[in-house]
Amino acid sequence: GQQVMQIPQYQHVQEGEDFTTYCNSSTTLSNIQWYKQRPGGHPVFLIQLVKSGEVKKQKRLTFQFGEAKKNSSLHITATQTTDVGTYFCAVSAGGTSYGKLTFGQGTILTVHP
Amino acid sequence: DSGVTQTPKHLITATGQRVTLRCSPRSGDLSVYWYQQSLDQGLQFLIQYYNGEERAKGNILERFSAQQFPDLHSELNLSSLELGDSALYFCASSARDNRNQPQHFGDGTRLSIL
Repeated sequence: GQQVMQIPQYQHVQEGEDFTTYCNSSTTLSNIQWYKQRPGGHPVFLIQLVKSGEVKKQKRLTFQFGEAKKNSSLHITATQTTDVGTYFCAVSAGGTSYGKLTFGQGTILTVHP
Repeated sequence: DSGVTQTPKHLITATGQRVTLRCSPRSGDLSVYWYQQSLDQGLQFLIQYYNGEERAKGNILERFSAQQFPDLHSELNLSSLELGDSALYFCASSARDNRNQPQHFGDGTRLSIL
């Protein structure tokens, strides 16, 4: 089945520093979604990327989809304590797997004030 | 508030028992997904239903089963429970069943097997 590797597993930053998490696949992806899960919470949809080389921004968050559609990244500029949580990428299986998502292992972000 | 409702929030039971987890999707959503989240396995897809029909299956054990009812709520049944089944079980919903749909998650049911 579809697999995706997400790195790093953990990231500790000082408030104000930047943060990046990466998602890599060995196969070409049809699309990729990003979710955030706060401690004790549930995953919350952030964004979906579909096009090769696509870049989308949400305030301090920048999402990129690789030209070959095999990797993606989420970059947070000037982290804040509200950014703490686990960031997951999720990819769709192909064919008739409909909406089934395969999630990366997630990157746990802690921000020290 | 995602609009997805899961009950109960917590469940504590013993090995060998059977439990039922319930999920009500967001208003208007036809697709329901079940996920298991544990520390060592991450977020694992179990099964998907769309408008009452099973659409996709993941690594769901034979001891587990699910269904979606005509009112679109879904239930996940876990039987012959083992210690390793202790996890957070999430339900998510989306409007349709194609791969470009964002999924909206409920707060989850935390299952503890003693």
